[in-house]
Amino acid sequence: QKEVEQDPGPLSVPEGAIVSLNCTYSNSAFQYFMWYRQYSRKGPELLMYTYSSGNKEDGRFTAQVDKSSKYISLFIRDSQPSDSATYLCAMSTLLLGSARQLTFGSGTQLTVLP
Amino acid sequence: DTGVSQDPRHKITKRGQNVTFRCDPISEHNRLYWYRQTLGQGPEFLTYFQNEAQLEKSRLLSDRFSAERPKGSFSTLEIQRTEQGDSAMYLCASSLARGPREDTIYFGEGSWLTVV
Repeated sequence: QKEVEQDPGPLSVPEGAIVSLNCTYSNSAFQYFMWYRQYSRKGPELLMYTYSSGNKEDGRFTAQVDKSSKYISLFIRDSQPSDSATYLCAMSTLLLGSARQLTFGSGTQLTVLP
Repeated sequence: DTGVSQDPRHKITKRGQNVTFRCDPISEHNRLYWYRQTLGQGPEFLTYFQNEAQLEKSRLLSDRFSAERPKGSFSTLEIQRTEQGDSAMYLCASSLARGPREDTIYFGEGSWLTVV
């Protein structure tokens, strides 16, 4: 069993829809939770990060973490065609020197139709 | 701030050949990471440098892989005697250690390797 499980999709929604992306994890040592967006054949781009349970909002994006259930979500409001990409959840443990080792989900491919 | 730069972006090589990828991190970032990503999967951690010291290596990093970061600036990842299973995107990332809650990791565009 993988440490991080992510709904693979693909997910296709009409423009303006609310999108919900989800991940579960099994490692209680994960301390920080992130969402990255990755366009085709590009590197991942950090969207949001949080380290506590609860909600964190940034524009049209809301990240939700429930540590007791080991469950994280990303909500996208008023989705746009430009949001079409693969969304990766990532969680981190600490490396020597206090750097973070990221463990990623396998990604959810999202298409927002105009 | 020009972002994390990787070179080459694409490499096709024959099985058994050696390949080397270069990464230039964001200026002044003291932490540098290498990840590998295969199609349909998320990136997987390979190794990490703090300045010039290689502090962590994943079990994924076999003896055929070697990474260096001389002088704590750019880094190279060399794969010797490539195998078809090495075909993947190799991602470099960097961060600046300001504290455990301020260690945003920025990824480069990746170097695609195809072993034929």
